[in-house]
Amino acid sequence: DVKVTQSSRYLVKRTGEKVFLECVQDMDHENMFWYRQDPGLGLRLIYFSYDVKMKEKGDIPEGYSVSREKKERFSLILESASTNQTSMYLCASSWTGATEAFFGQGTRLTVV
Amino acid sequence: GQQLNQSPQSMFIQEGEDVSMNCTSSSIFNTWLWYKQEPGEGPVLLIALYKAGELTSNGRLTAQFGITRKDSFLNISASIPSDVGIYFCAGPTSGTYKYIFGTGTRLKVLA
Repeated sequence: DVKVTQSSRYLVKRTGEKVFLECVQDMDHENMFWYRQDPGLGLRLIYFSYDVKMKEKGDIPEGYSVSREKKERFSLILESASTNQTSMYLCASSWTGATEAFFGQGTRLTVV
Repeated sequence: GQQLNQSPQSMFIQEGEDVSMNCTSSSIFNTWLWYKQEPGEGPVLLIALYKAGELTSNGRLTAQFGITRKDSFLNISASIPSDVGIYFCAGPTSGTYKYIFGTGTRLKVLA
C-alpha cells in the first residue's frame, strides 16, 4: 500500500514562530505537493515539487517555503506563522504523468 | 484557483439507499479520480478512471468516466453509516503536474 505520512496530526504554534511540516512517502514518487484546506475554499495548492531540489509555486505560496533534499521527503515551512495560516495542511504524492495522487492524513495547524 | 463543479453539494439519505453524485468541467480530462475524506483525515483514493466511457467498481462504489471527457459520476449502492464523509472528484491538468479538485459532496447517512 502507498503510504504518505505527515509528521504531526495536530500542531499549536504561536504567532511569529517558524513552523516545519514534514511529509514522507514510501512509493518512490517523483511528485510531491502541499495543499491547505479551508471550509468553503476547498483544496488550494501551496507548492509542489517534481524532483529533488526542484519546486514550483502553487496558487497560494505567500508566507510559505518548501524543501526537498531527498526524494521521499517534502517539507513545508511557515517562515513566521500568522493566525490566517490556521488550517488543515495536506501533503500528497504521485508518479510522473500525474496519475493517481495519494494523500497523507493531514496536519491540523492552529496559530495563536 | 480552478475547481470542478460537483453536485449535489450535500445529501442526507437513509441507510440502504443508493447515492449518485457527479462532477463536471469546462475542460477535457484524461484521468478522473474520486476521493473520500472523513472528518479530520486526509482524502483517500477510491477509484481512478483513465478512459472515456470507462466504468469501474470498488465494492459498493461504481464510477464512470463521461464520454465527453468533461464529466464523471460516482454511485454508492446500499449506503451504510460508514459511508459518511465528503466525496471529491479530481483530475490532473493536461501538461502540468497540478490537480484540479471538485467542490465536494457531503454525504450523511441516517441509520
